[in-house]
Amino acid sequence: GENVEQHPSTLSVQEGDSAVIKCTYSDSASNYFPWYKQELGKRPQLIIDIRSNVGEKKDQRIAVTLNKTAKHFSLHITETQPEDSAVYFCAARGSNYKLTFGKGTLLTVNP
Amino acid sequence: NAGVTQTPKFQVLKTGQSMTLQCAQDMNHEYMSWYRQDPGMGLRLIHYSVGAGITDQGEVPNGYNVSRSTTEDFPLRLLSAAPSQTSVYFCASSYSTGEGLNEQFFGPGTRLTVL
Repeated sequence: GENVEQHPSTLSVQEGDSAVIKCTYSDSASNYFPWYKQELGKRPQLIIDIRSNVGEKKDQRIAVTLNKTAKHFSLHITETQPEDSAVYFCAARGSNYKLTFGKGTLLTVNP
Repeated sequence: NAGVTQTPKFQVLKTGQSMTLQCAQDMNHEYMSWYRQDPGMGLRLIHYSVGAGITDQGEVPNGYNVSRSTTEDFPLRLLSAAPSQTSVYFCASSYSTGEGLNEQFFGPGTRLTVL
């Protein structure tokens, strides 16, 4: 089955800096790659997603890049703010409809 | 729309007891899933369903049963609770378009403790 590795497990940045979280996946048939943000005690919420026919997608301060050849994708957050502090999860969905998640990255933005 | 709802929010069980976690969605989504979330382990898929009457196993199905008799409901049954099943459980639903499956919407979660 699909295996998703996520790095780093923790990330601390200063407010205004950029943050990058990287994920790799194993199933070359995977075609949908969402990123979720989860605040303490809350449910995961989608912040951005990308499909396998697109190399990059942006939404204001958030961008995701996908390299299908290398089977990795990354989340980029620019101009970080304290409210960006949360756990971020990447995921990959293959042809069997299953969504496999990475283990998460705890992002802390220091004021 | 209420979205995805789960009951109860919290539950404490004794080892060996059984119970059902309820999940419902009012968005007419075909796909529904159950995940468990443990510290440092991310979200692990327990069971999922691609439509009423169709279910399949995920990554960690042992000790859990599901059924999908309607599009709206997807209950998760713990047959004989064990301390290893202490976790936060999330139900989720999603829909498909011509591009494939789309955003997965999560319920608020059920925090289960097994003593």
